[in-house]
Order: sequence, then structure tokens, then C-alpha cells
Amino acid sequence: GEKVEQHESTLSVREGDSAVINCTYTDTASSYFPWYKQEAGKSLHFVIDIRSNVDRKQSQRLIVLLDKKAKRFSLHITATQPEDSAIYFCAASMGTGGYKVVFGSGTRLLVSP
Amino acid sequence: ETAVFQTPNYHVTQVGNEVSFNCKQTLGHDTMYWYKQDSKKLLKIMFSYNNKQLIVNETVPRRFSPQSSDKAHLNLRIKSVEPEDSAVYLCASSSRWGGVYEQYFGPGTRLTVL
Repeated sequence: GEKVEQHESTLSVREGDSAVINCTYTDTASSYFPWYKQEAGKSLHFVIDIRSNVDRKQSQRLIVLLDKKAKRFSLHITATQPEDSAIYFCAASMGTGGYKVVFGSGTRLLVSP
Repeated sequence: ETAVFQTPNYHVTQVGNEVSFNCKQTLGHDTMYWYKQDSKKLLKIMFSYNNKQLIVNETVPRRFSPQSSDKAHLNLRIKSVEPEDSAVYLCASSSRWGGVYEQYFGPGTRLTVL
């Protein structure tokens, strides 16, 4: 089955810098790649996703890149702010219905002022 | 604004007891999920339902059984809990329509097994 590896377990950046979180996946059939954020003491919420028919997607300060050949995708957070501090999870699923979403192990991002 | 509701928030019980957790979504979604998040924050899917039909049943112990009365409700029963069942159980929902698969998560139920 699909396995998603999230490479950075922790990441510390200064406010205003960029943060990059990298993930790789194993199943070439995966075609949907969402990212979720979990703030301290809270549940997960969706931040951005990318589908396999594109290789880049941007939503405000968030950019997701997808390299299907390398089976790698990444989340770039530009101009980081302290409120970006959280655990970020990458995930992968096959497109149809997305019933089974496999999550990475999470990256704890700390943005210091 | 919360749209996926879970009860209870916390539950403390002893080994061997039975527990039940409830989840309700008011988003009109057709798919619901149960995830287990352990103390290291690892998140694993347990079950997913589409319109009351079980679609995904990951390798979980048989003492776990999901129940869905309609597409807005998905409950989880654990018969005879064990210490390794201590975790946060997250319910989520999503919709297949329009090709938008983002999941909305509930606040979670934290289970502690003594």
C-alpha cells in the first residue's frame, strides 16, 4: 500500500523567512496530495492541495510543488509568521473519491519572532 | 465554525471496558472517516464510509467496529479496550461531488485506558 514519508520532523525558521517541508510517496497511482495544519491542542484543518495534473499551485503565501517522476511533493510557506507555527501533515490518496488518505508523520514548524 | 461534532471530548476507562464515540457532520458530505492519532501525532486511517457503506477498513483489531445510521453520522465502538487504544480518535468528513476531497476534521475524542 501507499506510504508517505515526511522528511523533516521539526523545522525552525525566523519570522519572514521561507519554510519548506518535503514529502515523498510510493504509489504511482496516487493523484491527490493535500496538506493539513494542526495547531497546538487543536484538530487538523485543510490548508492546500495539489492534483497530479499540475505541478504547482499557490494560495496566498503557500506554494505546493509536485514532481511526479520523483514521487515527491513539497509545501513552501513564504514570509512566515508566528501564527504559522504548527504541525503540518502531508498526505496522498488515489483520486477516485479519495477514500483512503495516507498521512505523513508530520513536521513541527516553529516560527520565531 | 465547527461542522464536525464529536462526543465525548475525553473518556477515561479501564482495560476491558466497552466505549462508544459519536460523530456527526452538518456539511452534507457523503463520506466520513475515523482516524487514530497516537501520542507521537502519527495519524492512521481506520475506516471510511460513503453513504453508509463501509469503503475502507484498515487493519485494525476486531474489537473496533464502526456504525453508520446515515451519511451524517459515524460512530465507533471499541469492545474490551486495551492500553494501546489510548489515543485521540478523529472523525472527518468530505464530499466526492465537484472533485473536492478536502476533509473536515472534528475536535477529536481523547481516550485514556488505565
